[in-house]
Amino acid sequence: DTAVSQTPKYLVTQMGNDKSIKCEQNLGHDTMYWYKQDSKKFLKIMFSYNNKELIINETVPNRFSPKSPDKAHLNLHINSLELGDSAVYFCASSQGRFNTEAFFGQGTRLTVV
Amino acid sequence: GQSLEQPSEVTAVEGAIVQINCTYQTSGFYGLSWYQQHDGGAPTFLSYNALDGLEETGRFSSFLSRSDSYGYLLLQELQMKDSASYFCAVRPGFQKLVFGTGTRLLVSP
Repeated sequence: DTAVSQTPKYLVTQMGNDKSIKCEQNLGHDTMYWYKQDSKKFLKIMFSYNNKELIINETVPNRFSPKSPDKAHLNLHINSLELGDSAVYFCASSQGRFNTEAFFGQGTRLTVV
Repeated sequence: GQSLEQPSEVTAVEGAIVQINCTYQTSGFYGLSWYQQHDGGAPTFLSYNALDGLEETGRFSSFLSRSDSYGYLLLQELQMKDSASYFCAVRPGFQKLVFGTGTRLLVSP
């Protein structure tokens, strides 16, 4: 049983399109994150949610809109895709205020052409 | 803000010991973690240090010095499967985990 699952695994789309990535965790964690990993493998935090509430928005363009319908799900919608949005997007979850370990999904490789 | 610096690449041979350093600057600190990521895979948790000193988990150990804003990951008895990228990460506050630049470890026979 996958702990943190993301869909789709691969996404190829044209500039200007709108796309969504879904994430679900079955660990009972209260905090979920979105990270972007670029071609140089730098992992940059985008958003953090705790119990469905937005905690952190790391100056991400407002074309990116996360939505958390419940604490087990955190989806990412991207409007008007740009070439620079091409990257691997990782969803992750952790538990507790002083949580020590984050569990990551398998990633979604987004390619904008 | 936060910044974490790591060497970009380290090479070693099977059976050797390698140390990956991490220096950080952060406005808040709730611990330093290490993650491993194989090509095409997801980051996976290796270790966590909240207090100064050495934490040992099998072949891997992690060290933290809060006064020096410095930590390292020590990998012993290197195996080919240890070839991967290694990231240090700080927790500057609740619900936030900030990653370092990453170190690519290449293990050769």
